[in-house]
Amino acid sequence: QSALTQPRSVSGSPGQSVTISCTGTSSDFAAYNYVSWYQQHPGKAPKLMIYDVNERPSGVPDRFSGSKSGNTASLTISGLQAEDEADYHCCSYAGTVVFGGGTKLTVL
Amino acid sequence: QVQLQESGPGLVKPSQTLSLTCTVSGGSISSGSHYWSWIRQPAGKGLEWIGRIYTSGSTNYNPSLKSRVTISVDMSKNQFSLQLSSVTAADTAVYYCARDVTFNTWGQGTLVTVSS
Repeated sequence: QSALTQPRSVSGSPGQSVTISCTGTSSDFAAYNYVSWYQQHPGKAPKLMIYDVNERPSGVPDRFSGSKSGNTASLTISGLQAEDEADYHCCSYAGTVVFGGGTKLTVL
Repeated sequence: QVQLQESGPGLVKPSQTLSLTCTVSGGSISSGSHYWSWIRQPAGKGLEWIGRIYTSGSTNYNPSLKSRVTISVDMSKNQFSLQLSSVTAADTAVYYCARDVTFNTWGQGTLVTVSS
């Protein structure tokens, strides 16, 4: 069982916003801003979308944003596009590294 | 731009040792301060961090795999490697190498199947 809990699936229509949650149980998760998010299309390697809770690497659209409150981190995708349909994985790197189980985003 | 490429046998027998190599191109594995990690993903499942090696050579491993994992680096070949001993079918997965604590760069992944 993952130390980080994500919903198995979320969905939204083009142009809408969706939020994916990631809940941790360790005190390190709540105390430190060491959370990242990855987008993974079928058959492809994951791609870093957010790091340090809310930082975007160069080239990632500003439609992607991250936040954290207490034991729950969130990834919000605004202005949904068909190409956003993918699996999304959260990760905590405060102390040992743990991933969530992944969330499948469907764009309706 | 740094690129990573995994290589190694695609089929390993149960109880044997899985060995993979990640070749770094576009930059030196010994320059700067970087972590070099191995991550795996069983089919249809989430990602699992296996462990990492720092530029200095120090290592950190997933506690659940620690007794079976060794990660090493070969600066002369610009590579780092994974050895996972006593494998079972549960170790069948796509294995990725990645850079830094934020995993900002990934290899394309290589499928390793454990089967007799």
